[in-house]
Amino acid sequence: EIVLTQSPGTLSLSPGETATLSCRASQNIGSSYLAWYQHRPGQAPRLLIHTASTRATGVPDRFSGSGSGADVTLTISRLEPEDFAVYYCQQYGVLPWTFGQGTKVEIK
Amino acid sequence: QVQLVQSGAEVKKPGSSVRVSCKASGDALSNFAVTWVRQAPGQGLEWMGRIVPMVGITNYAPKFQGRVVITADKSTRTYYLEMTSLTSDDTAMYFCARGGNWLDPWGQGTLVTVSS
Repeated sequence: EIVLTQSPGTLSLSPGETATLSCRASQNIGSSYLAWYQHRPGQAPRLLIHTASTRATGVPDRFSGSGSGADVTLTISRLEPEDFAVYYCQQYGVLPWTFGQGTKVEIK
Repeated sequence: QVQLVQSGAEVKKPGSSVRVSCKASGDALSNFAVTWVRQAPGQGLEWMGRIVPMVGITNYAPKFQGRVVITADKSTRTYYLEMTSLTSDDTAMYFCARGGNWLDPWGQGTLVTVSS
């Protein structure tokens, strides 16, 4: 199965700064079959991005996805207090679908 | 807008089985695909499997193959996850989510605790 490696494990930033999260696949997953989710404690995960760069409905434009193949990035510009959470990438190019281990974005 | 409402928390003995339900409501096509994901305490998200009723397929992660069954009741728009031979390692929050690829929206989660 495809292993997704997210880096860094933890990102310590201040509100207003920019977060850059990386997700690397152990093999090419084909085209852009990659999604990003935000997960706050005690809540259900929330879809942010699918197809590597398409924002889900209602997601602010400060969230952007880029990349394809085996290397993708989630950028969060102008961090808001509600953006401090854990972020997961997920591939759906090769069964079984898999998630990365997560990147925690915490307040510095 | 689709909402997924899951059944309540469960406490199970090792070796037993559990069935978690996920009921769809709201303005949506019926028979959409649903995926199940779990999160053990302190761990990340783990993809378990999916059902795609329109084409009659289910897929499972290898570690759950043979121990997990995902079904759908079209008449009640309810999806089910059944897991057998439970161990303490199965203690986790279990989520259903609409979609066979990317997942949106998600249910609120069902806590399954396995303890003797």
